Amino acid sequence: KQEVTQIPAALSVPEGENLVLNCSFTDSAIYNLQWFRQDPGKGLTSLLLIQSSQREQTSGRLNASLDKSSGRSTLYIAASQPGDSATYLCAVVSGTYKYIFGTGTRLKVLA
Amino acid sequence: DAGITQSPRHKVTETGTPVTLRCHQTENHRYMYWYRQDPGHGLRLIHYSYGVKDTDKGEVSDGYSVSRSKTEDFLLTLESATSSQTSVYFCAIRDDRGNTGELFFGEGSRLTVL
Repeated sequence: KQEVTQIPAALSVPEGENLVLNCSFTDSAIYNLQWFRQDPGKGLTSLLLIQSSQREQTSGRLNASLDKSSGRSTLYIAASQPGDSATYLCAVVSGTYKYIFGTGTRLKVLA
Repeated sequence: DAGITQSPRHKVTETGTPVTLRCHQTENHRYMYWYRQDPGHGLRLIHYSYGVKDTDKGEVSDGYSVSRSKTEDFLLTLESATSSQTSVYFCAIRDDRGNTGELFFGEGSRLTVL
């Protein structure tokens, strides 16, 4: 059974710092991995999707990497801003198209 | 954005009453999902659909049923609501275009069962 873990559960950093969020999964047979952002009381917003054949994806200040063999993905946020404060979730999907989510990392960027 | 609308956005009901939540999409994607989100448990899959009248169970399906009679609508029914079903419910769509499988979410439906 696929399990997805995100550590740490919460993170507080000063503005301007570069930071890395981690996502680990137990079964490397994944179709893709997706990172989301969730603001309080809101739905999930898709940030980046990495297909199983890819190693990384970039969007603006965000870079996500995927290492299937070690069961890990990282989300790198450059030059963090207070507006980046949110909960970040990762999800993996297998061939059955069931998406399994981690419990998220709650990020607070201090001004 | 997959044009996802959830209704109602907020509902308060009493134990034992039936409740139906609706998810509507405008882009005819094949896969639709219902999740619930609870503190300490994250997002858990209730049911999903892979086409009209084609549905399957997720990890927390007990007490829930679904129906999909049209491509654009996926209904989640709590047959007899219980306090343990107080939660935020999210509908999601798997984007069929380009075969990347990107998942998009609705804004959520907050359900309180008294």
